[in-house]
Amino acid sequence: GAVVSQHPSRVICKSGTSVKIECRSLDFQATTMFWYRQFPKQSLMLMATSNEGSKATYEQGVEKDKFLINHASLTLSTLTVTSAHPEDSSFYICSAREGAGGETQYFGPGTRLLVL
Amino acid sequence: TQLLEQSPQFLSIQEGENLTVYCNSSSVFSSLQWYRQEPGEGPVLLVTVVTGGEVKKLKRLTFQFGDARKDSSLHITAAQPGDTGLYLCAGARSNDYKLSFGAGTTVTVRA
Repeated sequence: GAVVSQHPSRVICKSGTSVKIECRSLDFQATTMFWYRQFPKQSLMLMATSNEGSKATYEQGVEKDKFLINHASLTLSTLTVTSAHPEDSSFYICSAREGAGGETQYFGPGTRLLVL
Repeated sequence: TQLLEQSPQFLSIQEGENLTVYCNSSSVFSSLQWYRQEPGEGPVLLVTVVTGGEVKKLKRLTFQFGDARKDSSLHITAAQPGDTGLYLCAGARSNDYKLSFGAGTTVTVRA
C-alpha cells in the first residue's frame, strides 16, 4: 500500500517551454501533497504544500508564478514549471500524506528535469 | 541553517561492520522518519518513530528516538552492500505536517 507515482520520470525541454509533472497517490487519498526539489548530492528542499481544493502554500524563496501547483483531487497534484530555464534543471519529487492525521509521507519516484 | 543536523555526511565501511547515523536538533518533533534513497529514485520510508525513547527494529536496522524527541539514530548491524545508499532523517512538527530533512548520510558498504 501507500504507493505514489510520478509522471514523467524524465523530461528534456528547451528553455522557455513549460513542463507539467503529475503526482498521484494510487491506493490512498492524500489530503496533502508536497513538492520538493533535490540538487545532486544534496538533501530534499520543500518547495510547496498542496492541499486538495485550495491554493498551495509556497516556501520562502519559491516563486509561485514560476511553479504552478494544482491539487484538483484527493489523488492528483500537478506541478507546472513555467518558462523553464537551465537553472530549473533538477530532480523534482512529490510526496503524499494520508488523511486522518497521519504524519508519514510517501514519496514518488521523482522526475528528472533537464532544461537545455 | 538546517533544522536537523545529520552526521556523518559520508560513511564507507567494509561488509560485516556496524554503522550508526545520527540526527540531532534543538527542536522537538512530533515524529521522525528515516528514509533510504538510491540515485535517481525517490526516498523510500524505512520507519516512523513517534514516542520519546522509542526503539524500533527492522531486521538489521535499529532506530531510536530520543526521550525529548529532538534526536534520533539509525544503527545497522553487519552491513551488506545492499545497504549502500543515501540515508535521510526527517522530522515532522504536528502543526503543519511539513518535513524538515537532514542533509543526508551517504553510506557505502564495500564487499
